[in-house]
Amino acid sequence: AQSVTQLDSQVPVFEEAPVELRCNYSSSVSVYLFWYVQYPNQGLQLLLKYLSGSTLVKGINGFEAEFNKSQTSFHLRKPSVHISDTAEYFCAVSATGAGSYQLTFGKGTKLSVIP
Amino acid sequence: NAGVTQTPKFRILKIGQSMTLQCTQDMNHNYMYWYRQDPGMGLKLIYYSVGAGITDKGEVPNGYNVSRSTTEDFPLRLELAAPSQTSVYFCASSSRDRLNPLHFGNGTRLTVT
Repeated sequence: AQSVTQLDSQVPVFEEAPVELRCNYSSSVSVYLFWYVQYPNQGLQLLLKYLSGSTLVKGINGFEAEFNKSQTSFHLRKPSVHISDTAEYFCAVSATGAGSYQLTFGKGTKLSVIP
Repeated sequence: NAGVTQTPKFRILKIGQSMTLQCTQDMNHNYMYWYRQDPGMGLKLIYYSVGAGITDKGEVPNGYNVSRSTTEDFPLRLELAAPSQTSVYFCASSSRDRLNPLHFGNGTRLTVT
């Protein structure tokens, strides 16, 4: 089974400052990794995903994440945040094997961008 | 372009009542999912389906049932509502399992009292 730990439940940051949202995973098999974002009163939408290849993954809205297999981490970063980035961010993991249909989500990190 | 549509948006149930949460998608996606979201707990998978006529349990299936008679629809049934089922329920779909983006509906907020 896989599990995800998001190390911060809330992250306040000033507008135009950089931000890092931390995610660690646990798995005995190879994994795929994802970051989803949830804006208030909406469903989740995909920010980016790591399936294979380059460990630095770029997503929408200027976000990027780096897969670090040795540290079992997949931290999300943005060099300069905007007010519109205020949302809850979820890290998710899935085993790579055929027949593995489930995404396991972390508990979420609420990002608050302060004007 | 509706995407994934969930109804109702809100519902209050008494303990022991039953209800069906509706979910329909117009993207011809084979894969559909039901999640519940509790504050500070992330999302937990209840049931999923890989195509019409095929469903399987997720992480927290107890107290729920699903059916998938068409590609478009994936209703979630609560037979005997309990306070522990108070939650926000999300339906999602994808074209090719979890490797492609999951498209989520806007959720159904359910309160059981």
